[in-house]
Amino acid sequence: GAVVSQHPSWVICKSGTSVKIECRSLDFQATTMFWYRQFPKQSLMLMATSNEGSKATYEQGVEKDKFLINHASLTLSTLTVTSAHPEDSSFYICSATGTGDIRAFFGQGTRLTVV
Amino acid sequence: EDQVTQSPEALRLQEGESSSLNCSYTVSGLRGLFWYRQDPGKGPEFLFTLYSAGEEKEKERLKATLTKKESFLHITAPKPEDSATYLCAVPTNFGNEKLTFGTGTRLTIIP
Repeated sequence: GAVVSQHPSWVICKSGTSVKIECRSLDFQATTMFWYRQFPKQSLMLMATSNEGSKATYEQGVEKDKFLINHASLTLSTLTVTSAHPEDSSFYICSATGTGDIRAFFGQGTRLTVV
Repeated sequence: EDQVTQSPEALRLQEGESSSLNCSYTVSGLRGLFWYRQDPGKGPEFLFTLYSAGEEKEKERLKATLTKKESFLHITAPKPEDSATYLCAVPTNFGNEKLTFGTGTRLTIIP
C-alpha cells in the first residue's frame, strides 16, 4: 500500500506557542489530504479536508484560525496549531488519497501535549 | 444521512477462537467500504477495500465480506498480535472522498 509519513510522532509545547505537524505522501501524489483528531478510546473525528493548492474545508465546530492547514504541494500538507492550550492536547492523524483512488492511507499520528 | 455502525464495541477471544466483527452501513450509493486496523498510539493501517456486494478479500487470518447492508471481518484462529481496534469506513462525499467511520471494535486476543 501507499505510504504516508507524519512528523513529529509526538511533541510537547508550552501553552500559547504554535506547533506545526507535517504529513507527507512518500510514493504517490496526494490530491486530497485529511486531518483528524482522536480522543482516547474514540473514533477519528474529521477536522478538515484539503486539496492541493486550495483552501482547506473545515468541519463544523473546528476553528480555522486555530488549526491552520496548508497543502502547498501534491506530497505535503501541514497542520499548525496556533496559540495552543492544554485542551488542544490530543492525537492528530492525517490521511491522503491519490488521483482516481478512493482508498485513504494514514500517517502514524502525532501526540500533542500542551503544558 | 450516511451512517456506519460497528458491533460489538469490544470483543475478547481466546487465542485460536474464531469470530466475526460486524459493520452495518447506510449510505447513498456505496462506492466502497474500507477496513482498517489501529494499534494504540498509531494511525489506522489499511487492510481491505470492498467495492460490491458479494466481494470477499483475505489477508492472513482475516477475511472481509460485503453485503448490501453490512460487512463482516472474519478472524480465523486469531493470535495475540491480532489484538487491535478494527475500524470500518465508507467514502460519503463524492469529489473529495471524505470518510465516515464506525466507532470501531476493540479486539483482545488472550494467550
